[in-house]
Amino acid sequence: AQRVTQPEKLLSVFKGAPVELKCNYSYSGSPELFWYVQYSRQRLQLLLRHISRESIKGFTADLNKGETSFHLKKPFAQEEDSAMYYCALSPRGSTLGRLYFGRGTQLTVWP
Amino acid sequence: DTGVSQNPRHKITKRGQNVTFRCDPISEHNRLYWYRQTLGQGPEFLTYFQNEAQLEKSRLLSDRFSAERPKGSFSTLEIQRTEQGDSAMYLCAGGISTDTQYFGPGTRLTVL
Repeated sequence: AQRVTQPEKLLSVFKGAPVELKCNYSYSGSPELFWYVQYSRQRLQLLLRHISRESIKGFTADLNKGETSFHLKKPFAQEEDSAMYYCALSPRGSTLGRLYFGRGTQLTVWP
Repeated sequence: DTGVSQNPRHKITKRGQNVTFRCDPISEHNRLYWYRQTLGQGPEFLTYFQNEAQLEKSRLLSDRFSAERPKGSFSTLEIQRTEQGDSAMYLCAGGISTDTQYFGPGTRLTVL
């Protein structure tokens, strides 16, 4: 069965410090992985997806199939990065596109 | 602005009452998803429409829940005989094919 695990419910860092939000998944096939972000009083929105291999707002995420991980990283955190971050999985090859979400990590960046 | 809207934004009801939520995606969204999110958890899939056809339903969707998408445009999610355990945020997402899902602001349901 598909499962997404975000081990940290809360994560705090100071502005300018590196940040890494962890995401591990279990899925027997080849998944498509996403990071979604929800800023205070805003809707859930896509931050990045692994197939795009792009950096958004300074964030990157690399799919590590050996460790079944898709950790989100940013070398220098900013206060505006404070938000709830969700890792999500979609079974590759599925025509349905339903997403399996982790429970989320609340990131707080202190000034 | 993703263009997906949901109404109402908040709903308070008494246990046993029926409630209906509406989701309006943009016209290009041939796919429409419903998720439920409870406190401290990520969104959980409920059901999915491709145009007007409901193609998948989660086991979370008991027989008290029903969803429709007439004409492949807006969608409604109805909960009959609400229970306190139904209290949650109900999220709708629209998309095109297997592209990105664009979420609405959600409807927060409180069952007293």
